[in-house]
Amino acid sequence: EVQLEQSGAEVKKPGTTVKISCRLSGDTFTDFSIHWLQQTPGKGPEWMGLINPEEGETMYAEKFQARVTITADTSKDTTYMELRSLRSDDTALYYCATSDAWGQGTLVTVSS
Amino acid sequence: DVVMTQSPLSLPVTLGQSASISCKSSQRLVHSDGNTYLNWFHQRPGQSPRRLIYQVSKRDSGVPDRISGSGSGTDFTLKISRVEAEDVGVYYCMQGTHWSWTFGQGTKVEIK
Repeated sequence: EVQLEQSGAEVKKPGTTVKISCRLSGDTFTDFSIHWLQQTPGKGPEWMGLINPEEGETMYAEKFQARVTITADTSKDTTYMELRSLRSDDTALYYCATSDAWGQGTLVTVSS
Repeated sequence: DVVMTQSPLSLPVTLGQSASISCKSSQRLVHSDGNTYLNWFHQRPGQSPRRLIYQVSKRDSGVPDRISGSGSGTDFTLKISRVEAEDVGVYYCMQGTHWSWTFGQGTKVEIK
């Protein structure tokens, strides 16, 4: 059974960068595309992008394309999502997910 | 992007009665591999979304058979029979057919 474990909560100031990790266990890391999603308070999840760790191919939502980078380290079975130029409306839970499993979520709070 | 439209957005139900949620997509969700990647998720406050149904009508492990999914093409339905207190929360449909996942707005189910 695939499990995804995300890094812990972050508090950031506006204009800075956050980088969240997501480690896959229970199956072969390179067999899965890993998606990242943002869920702001009171709203549904919104897709940010994905990575195919085997090929390194990434795709991003137009809304986030200028500020997000998703990477993968196959030696650690881990993907990373970096979001730059943080602003207050980036305060949200961030999830990594495969087609069958979701991480527990990482709370990012952006506040001066 | 594929737009997913749910209705109703709020659904008060009586314990023991049935509830039904509609989800309509702006494009057909049949993938080139022949599968239809339409999922339903349930989210309780403070928790990650939990997938209940995948590929329109397949129940995830541990999901009771009083929860069912149906539909095809662009019209899909989630039905909850004999509603129990544990069913409260927000339900989302999500399409995974197209590479950019998209979600419905969410339907909040509460007990009358």
